[in-house]
Amino acid sequence: AQRVTQPEKLLSVFKGAPVELKCNYSYSGSPELFWYVQYSRQRLQLLLRHISRESIKGFTADLNKGETSFHLKKPFAQEEDSAMYYCALMWGGYQKVTFGTGTKLQVIP
Amino acid sequence: KAGVTQTPRYLIKTRGQQVTLSCSPISGHRSVSWYQQTPGQGLQFLFEYFSETQRNKGNFPGRFSGRQFSNSRSEMNVSTLELGDSALYLCASALQGEAFFGQGTRLTVV
Repeated sequence: AQRVTQPEKLLSVFKGAPVELKCNYSYSGSPELFWYVQYSRQRLQLLLRHISRESIKGFTADLNKGETSFHLKKPFAQEEDSAMYYCALMWGGYQKVTFGTGTKLQVIP
Repeated sequence: KAGVTQTPRYLIKTRGQQVTLSCSPISGHRSVSWYQQTPGQGLQFLFEYFSETQRNKGNFPGRFSGRQFSNSRSEMNVSTLELGDSALYLCASALQGEAFFGQGTRLTVV
C-alpha cells in the first residue's frame, strides 16, 4: 500500500543551523512527490515538487529512489521557516494523494 | 482568481447531531478532496470527487459522506457526531497534480 512516513513530529533547530525534514515513501510505481507547508494561521500551500527541481525559499528536496526518500533540506534555517511541513505522494496518474502526518519545524532565535 | 473557499469557518455542535460543510473550489478545478486535520493524526484523507463522482475514499466510517455538484462545489456531511470528530476539515481543489487548500472549517463537538 502507498504510505508516506515523516518520522519526526517536531524538529527544533537554531536559527542559522541546517535543516533536514525527513520523508520516506512506499510506492511500487513511479512517484510524484511534493512538500506542502502550513504557516501559522495560513492555509496549507505547495512548497515544492520534485519534478520541478526548484529551490523555494532556500529549500530543496531530492528524490532518492534507492532509499525511497524525499527529504527537505535548507542550509541555514530562518525564524520564518517555523511551520508545519507535510510530505505528499501523488500516484495513480495524479488521481490519488497520500500525505504524511507532518513535521512541525520550530526555529529557535 | 479566488482561492478555495470553505464555509463556515467555525462550528460548534453537540454529540449526536449532524453537520454539513461546504467547499467552493477554484474556478476550473474539477477535483475536490476533503481532509481531516488533527494534532495527533496529522492530515488524513477523507474522499475525493471529480465531476460529481467519488473517485477515492479514505478509511473513515460511513458517517462521513460527501457529494459534488455540477458546478464543482462540494459538501461534506458528518452524521451522529462524536467528540473525536472535533478537527479542522480541509478542502482542496486540484489541477495538474497541485492541490490548493482552503482555510478549513474548525468543527468542535461538545
